[in-house]
Amino acid sequence: GQQLNQSPQSMFIQEGEDVSMNCTSSSIFNTWLWYKQDPGEGPVLLIALYKAGELTSNGRLTAQFGITRKDSFLNISASIPSDVGIYFCAGRSGGSNYKLTFGKGTLLTVNP
Amino acid sequence: SAVISQKPSRDICQRGTSLTIQCQVDSQVTMMFWYRQQPGQSLTLIATANQGSEATYESGFVIDKFPISRPNLTFSTLTVSNMSPEDSSIYLCSVVGTSGLLDTQYFGPGTRLTVL
Repeated sequence: GQQLNQSPQSMFIQEGEDVSMNCTSSSIFNTWLWYKQDPGEGPVLLIALYKAGELTSNGRLTAQFGITRKDSFLNISASIPSDVGIYFCAGRSGGSNYKLTFGKGTLLTVNP
Repeated sequence: SAVISQKPSRDICQRGTSLTIQCQVDSQVTMMFWYRQQPGQSLTLIATANQGSEATYESGFVIDKFPISRPNLTFSTLTVSNMSPEDSSIYLCSVVGTSGLLDTQYFGPGTRLTVL
């Protein structure tokens, strides 16, 4: 089956620093989604990417859909304490297949 | 985006019992899914809830253990049957909704299940 490798597994940064995390796939995806999950909550959609090469921003967050369609990255600029949480990438093959394959997540800790 | 609610939000259950989790969406959606998130792990798809017909299960999940109902386009239930401690997880309902002209996927708040 499809597998997603998400890295890093965890990050410890100081408030104000920029953060980058990425996902790579063994196969092609037509959609990449990035979610954030706070403790005790469901994942919240941050950014959705639909086209190879697409670069999309949502406030301090920027994500890109890799040209090969096998990778994506998420950047967070000027991190703040509320950025703490687990970030998941998810890929979808497309067409009528809406099943998502998830990465293992990146645990982000921001020290004030 | 779709607003999704789940009941219960959490429960502690005894081994051998069953729990039914409800998922309610504020608008009609074509696709609904159930995911499991074991402690400290990522999300794994259990099944696609099909309206008016049997759910489509992923490898490793069976109907006898996780019966699913979807009577209409806004509601679904997942039952965790004959529970064991290994079933302790967060169970998440997910729907496909539209953002502009493009479809994307949203998650409910989850049901945190602990089996003793």
